Amino acid sequence: LAKTTQPISMDSYEGQEVNITCSHNNIATNDYITWYQQFPSQGPRFIIQGYKTKVTNEVASLFIPADRKSSTLSLPRVSLSDTAVYYCLVGDDNAGNMLTFGGGTRLMVKP
Amino acid sequence: NAGVMQNPRHLVRRRGQEARLRCSPMKGHSHVYWYRQLPEEGLKFMVYLQKENIIDESGMPKERFSAEFPKEGPSILRIQQVVRGDSAAYFCASSPRAGTAFFGQGTRLTVV
Repeated sequence: LAKTTQPISMDSYEGQEVNITCSHNNIATNDYITWYQQFPSQGPRFIIQGYKTKVTNEVASLFIPADRKSSTLSLPRVSLSDTAVYYCLVGDDNAGNMLTFGGGTRLMVKP
Repeated sequence: NAGVMQNPRHLVRRRGQEARLRCSPMKGHSHVYWYRQLPEEGLKFMVYLQKENIIDESGMPKERFSAEFPKEGPSILRIQQVVRGDSAAYFCASSPRAGTAFFGQGTRLTVV
């Protein structure tokens, strides 16, 4: 399984755009990149998934360069309620334990 | 479509008792994952099951822990003879296929 590396923590202010980058140098050809968000005392919530280039949904955008060795989760205009831990996962859609969580990035949004 | 349902939400057990954690996957989902999370730590994979089969149990402790996902009914994570170190939040996730999964709210086990 490809190992992921993310910053341990990030601070931001309301209304700013936040970009969280994840490194996955050993990503395999069949691997997808998935991001989850977790609030305290809750289960992780799926945010976005992509394979290459750019994916956008109503919550976030995911940018993946051509070499796919990293990816960036972009949260536009964050609010206090975006304070959470964000996890980057990499794995084969057919792998049994694709959902291998690393330490995640603890995002703190300040007023 | 109800989400992944876990029960109980909170479970208190004395040392040496058994803990049974239940997970009802989303309708149509045949893949179930179990995770354990200690306070201020990330989620640790425990086991991946499909209906009636354990696909990957590489994260399960060798003793006292077992999991099943029967043809009918919820998936069960069973912890025998609990110890204080078993106190944690246990999360279940389900998926229609391996990969993108949806998580329940978790069961918080406290061993006293």
